[in-house]
Amino acid sequence: AQSVTQLGSHVSVSEGALVLLRCNYSSSVPPYLFWYVQYPNQGLQLLLKYTSAATLVKGINGFEAEFKKSETSFHLTKPSAHMSDAAEYFCAVSGADSSYKLIFGSGTRLLVRP
Amino acid sequence: DTAVSQTPKYLVTQMGNDKSIKCEQNLGHDTMYWYKQDSKKFLKIMFSYNNKELIINETVPNRFSPKSPDKAHLNLHINSLELGDSAVYFCASSPTPATNEKLFFGSGTQLSVL
Repeated sequence: AQSVTQLGSHVSVSEGALVLLRCNYSSSVPPYLFWYVQYPNQGLQLLLKYTSAATLVKGINGFEAEFKKSETSFHLTKPSAHMSDAAEYFCAVSGADSSYKLIFGSGTRLLVRP
Repeated sequence: DTAVSQTPKYLVTQMGNDKSIKCEQNLGHDTMYWYKQDSKKFLKIMFSYNNKELIINETVPNRFSPKSPDKAHLNLHINSLELGDSAVYFCASSPTPATNEKLFFGSGTQLSVL
């Protein structure tokens, strides 16, 4: 079984500051890990995904995430926040088993202050 | 040109009514999903169909019945609506059911049961 924990339901940063959104996972099989972003009144869009290739994954809009097996983490970062980054971010996990399910975390709302 | 489109966008109804939400994808994907997002933004899978066949059926009340007339459509019918059914329902699709596949989401249907 897989699960995801996102620490912090809200994260507030100043424009230009580092963005760090935390995600820890639990999986009994090698995981596939994802970050999705949800802008207001829209569906989720894929930012990036880890599927057992390089541990540092680069995504769209300058975001990247690093898979750390020893820490069971997949934190999302961006060096410099833009106002347009304000949104809800979801970490998700699936496993190489037969369930075909994507399990989402509870989400972190990113607020960007001018 | 919308990849995954669902209708209606908003649905307000009384308890006990029966309602349907429609979803269509023009991406040529084999797999479609319904997710429920509650008021705390928690996103949970309900159903998944692959090429018109049900492959995921989570613990969802029997009042919820998905129907897939073809692989481009996955509709959700809800009988005897209850207050707790109020949520945003997202349709999604992916090329295959593989657990590392990217999901493409619709923009959601906000269901309010009064």
